[in-house]
Amino acid sequence: GIQVEQSPPDLILQEGANSTLRCNFSDSVNNLQWFHQNPWGQLINLFYIPSGTKQNGRLSATTVATERYSLLYISSSQTTDSGVYFCAVTNTGGFKTIFGAGTRLFVKA
Amino acid sequence: NAGVTQTPKFQVLKTGQSMTLQCAQDMNHEYMSWYRQDPGMGLRLIHYSVGAGITDQGEVPNGYNVSRSTTEDFPLRLLSAAPSQTSVYFCASSRQGTGGGNQPQHFGDGTRLSIL
Repeated sequence: GIQVEQSPPDLILQEGANSTLRCNFSDSVNNLQWFHQNPWGQLINLFYIPSGTKQNGRLSATTVATERYSLLYISSSQTTDSGVYFCAVTNTGGFKTIFGAGTRLFVKA
Repeated sequence: NAGVTQTPKFQVLKTGQSMTLQCAQDMNHEYMSWYRQDPGMGLRLIHYSVGAGITDQGEVPNGYNVSRSTTEDFPLRLLSAAPSQTSVYFCASSRQGTGGGNQPQHFGDGTRLSIL
C-alpha cells in the first residue's frame, strides 16, 4: 500500500517563528489533506490540496504531485498552533485514506 | 451544525465483552470511515464505506465489524474485546470524489476505549 512519511517528527519553536513541515508519499494520489490535532485530541481539516498551493491566514500548503510531496508552512507561529500535524493521502483510484505518523509541534511563549 | 457525532466519548470494557461504537453524520456524505489512534502514532484505517450497503476493509480490520444500513450511520462493533484494542477511535465522513478517493474529511471528537 501507499506509504506516507512526515518530517520532522518533533519541532519546538519560539512564538513568532516560521516553520515548514514536509509530507512524502510513495504513489500517485488524488487526495491529500493536512490536519491539525489540538491538545484536546480534536482533528481539524486545514487543507484539502491534491495539487497546487493554498493559503489560509498564517498557514499555507503546497503539493507537488508529480514529485510526490507536500509542504505545510506556518508563519508567525502562536502557542495555539501547538499540537500534531498530520498529512493524509488517498491513492489514485482508491478509497483508502492513509495517514502519516505526524509532526508534533510545540510553540513556546 | 452537528457534523460527525460519536458516542460514547469514554468506555471501559472487560476482555471478551462486545460493544458498538456509534457514529452519525448529518451532512449527507457518501463516504464514512473508522480509524484508531494509538499513543504517539498516526491514525490507522479500520473499515470504510462508500455508501449505504457497501463496506470494505482498511489497514487493521481484524477484530472489528461494520455495517452501513443508512447514509447517516456507520457503527463499529468490537466482537470480543482484547487489551490490544485499547485506543482512541475516530469516525470521519466526506463527500465522494470523482474517480475514486474522497473530498475533505470531517472527524468526530473520538471515543476513548480502555479494555482491561
